[in-house]
Amino acid sequence: DAGVTQSPTHLIKTRGQHVTLRCSPISGHKSVSWYQQVLGQGPQFIFQYYEKEERGRGNFPDRFSARQFPNYSSELNVNALLLGDSALYLCASSLGVRTGNEQFFGPGTRLTVL
Amino acid sequence: AQTVTQSQPEMSVQEAETVTLSCTYDTSENNYYLFWYKQPPSRQMILVIRQEAYKQQNATENRFSVNFQKAAKSFSLKISDSQLGDTAMYFCAFMPSTSGTYKYIFGTGTRLKVLA
Repeated sequence: DAGVTQSPTHLIKTRGQHVTLRCSPISGHKSVSWYQQVLGQGPQFIFQYYEKEERGRGNFPDRFSARQFPNYSSELNVNALLLGDSALYLCASSLGVRTGNEQFFGPGTRLTVL
Repeated sequence: AQTVTQSQPEMSVQEAETVTLSCTYDTSENNYYLFWYKQPPSRQMILVIRQEAYKQQNATENRFSVNFQKAAKSFSLKISDSQLGDTAMYFCAFMPSTSGTYKYIFGTGTRLKVLA
């Protein structure tokens, strides 16, 4: 079975641009979460979606937005990119949204903002 | 605020020896889950072991075991018979149960190098 997939693998943008990152969850998983991992730090929670509805949002500015599609895939959008948005963006999927549900991570998208 | 602290940025261990990675957390909740994730140089995070806070028995998965001290809010990971493939970043993570959002709160990680 395929794991969580993310595209693209790498991305280089300049300040002020917009970026869209994509995630496909494991088949049967209905929840997708997004995390930002800045170099040398642990992942920070950005969003969680379940059944196409936002279930949680981390402490990120409104420049960050996301959505989940009927096939449970998800997009993370970031507008007006800043240098500080350079990071590894991780997508994680899980069966549902219950305490203890293991989240399965994708390989990530490495975003570099110049 | 709920936080996770990993006080060892880097550690090294000889192959076949045992190493313990430390993790402490801060929460006022009584029910929650704790996790250790491994992130090899290829980047994909993999679950190593999981502990439910209401279970007193420490979790074990083959060579990996935890020492869960709820009162001390401590959750250390012991790796026995270390192998070269254990070289990776290790993240301790906490999942609260009452926030309504089942998100991980991660520590800053410990970089473990297993030496041949």
